[in-house]
Amino acid sequence: DQQVKQNSPSLSVQEGRISILNCDYTNSMFDYFLWYKKYPAEGPTFLISISSIKDKNEDGRFTVFLNKSAKHLSLHIVPSQPGDSAVYFCAASAAGGYQKVTFGIGTKLQVIP
Amino acid sequence: EAQVTQNPRYLITVTGKKLTVTCSQNMNHEYMSWYRQDPGLGLRQIYYSMNVEVTDKGDVPEGYKVSRKEKRNFPLILESPSPNQTSLYFCASSFSATGKAFFGQGTRLTVV
Repeated sequence: DQQVKQNSPSLSVQEGRISILNCDYTNSMFDYFLWYKKYPAEGPTFLISISSIKDKNEDGRFTVFLNKSAKHLSLHIVPSQPGDSAVYFCAASAAGGYQKVTFGIGTKLQVIP
Repeated sequence: EAQVTQNPRYLITVTGKKLTVTCSQNMNHEYMSWYRQDPGLGLRQIYYSMNVEVTDKGDVPEGYKVSRKEKRNFPLILESPSPNQTSLYFCASSFSATGKAFFGQGTRLTVV
């Protein structure tokens, strides 16, 4: 059973517009969430994270929102740029810092110039 | 430069021939892990290590072994590889499971 779900395999957005990538989780023990970006032929790179004590975290063009009651988080990219075209993975981990990390299957974002 | 180094980048092997994929990090991270990436399945954690001599199973540990004798190194061992272990493998390190992870470039393994 997938404990971290990214239900949209792909997303196309016009350059300059907002990209919204969604992630749902089922395990209520998860309390730390991370987003990674992956280009072809490279390893994933960290983008932004949020702990369950917050509902929003912002870093430049990237904002992550967490809705604990709905077990849902989303990554907003504003404005979207062609260089943002990549696969985005949502990941989750439980408390304590020394636990498994569970990833979603990823969402492929294409930003059209 | 902070980095995670995996070797080899590409490997083709035959069923049953033991192999090791090496992983090394230079950031003094305590937490290291191995993932495999397969189409439609995303990244799945194979094993992770919280520190030297402390390892635990991830979600898909069957057919794999790991060791953590030194803090910087975390090799992945396939004692008897099978074709269903054909995949893209990534090593990662961070200060903890909740910390920003640095990933290696990946190892594409084909077992025939």
